[in-house]
Amino acid sequence: AQSVTQLGSHVSVSEGALVLLRCNYSSSVPPYLFWYVQYPNQGLQLLLKYTSAATLVKGINGFEAEFKKSETSFHLTKPSAHMSDAAEYFCAVGYSGGGADGLTFGKGTHLIIQP
Amino acid sequence: DGGITQSPKYLFRKEGQNVTLSCEQNLNHDAMYWYRQDPGQGLRLIYYSQIVNDFQKGDIAEGYSVSREKKESFPLTVTSAQKNPTAFYLCASSRGGARGRETQYFGPGTRLLVL
Repeated sequence: AQSVTQLGSHVSVSEGALVLLRCNYSSSVPPYLFWYVQYPNQGLQLLLKYTSAATLVKGINGFEAEFKKSETSFHLTKPSAHMSDAAEYFCAVGYSGGGADGLTFGKGTHLIIQP
Repeated sequence: DGGITQSPKYLFRKEGQNVTLSCEQNLNHDAMYWYRQDPGQGLRLIYYSQIVNDFQKGDIAEGYSVSREKKESFPLTVTSAQKNPTAFYLCASSRGGARGRETQYFGPGTRLLVL
């Protein structure tokens, strides 16, 4: 079974500081990995997607994520936080193989930006 | 502009009442999905459809029903059998093929409240 764990339901950083949102996954087949962002009362927007082409994936709004197979991790980072980054972030693992496929979401991390 | 629309933005349900949430997409996507979002629980899959006139149950289908008569439309009915319907409902679509591989694009959501 596939699962996603996002460490920390809430993360608080100062404006201009490094953003690090953690995501660990388990998957019995090579995974596809996604990060989505959700602003209050809105739908989810894709930030970036890992498809095995490169371990470091660059996304929108200055975010990037690194796939580390040995650590089964796909942490999301941004060098310098901006007030507009305050939102809910979801990591998701997609799997396809062995006669089954699907997408599993983590429970989300609420990013708080302090001025 | 291509995208996914959901209506209404807010919906109120009385006890014993069935209500229908609308989802329309003009992305020419084959696959469509319905998710339920509760605080701190991430997204849970209710139903999905990979082709017109066919749909499959997700993880929490009890108390819900769907139809897929047109490629563009995937309405969700919350029946009176759903005892705890208060949640944020998100519709998504993707090009089709393996669910775990394709990027899903989300609508703005409908918030359902019980009177």
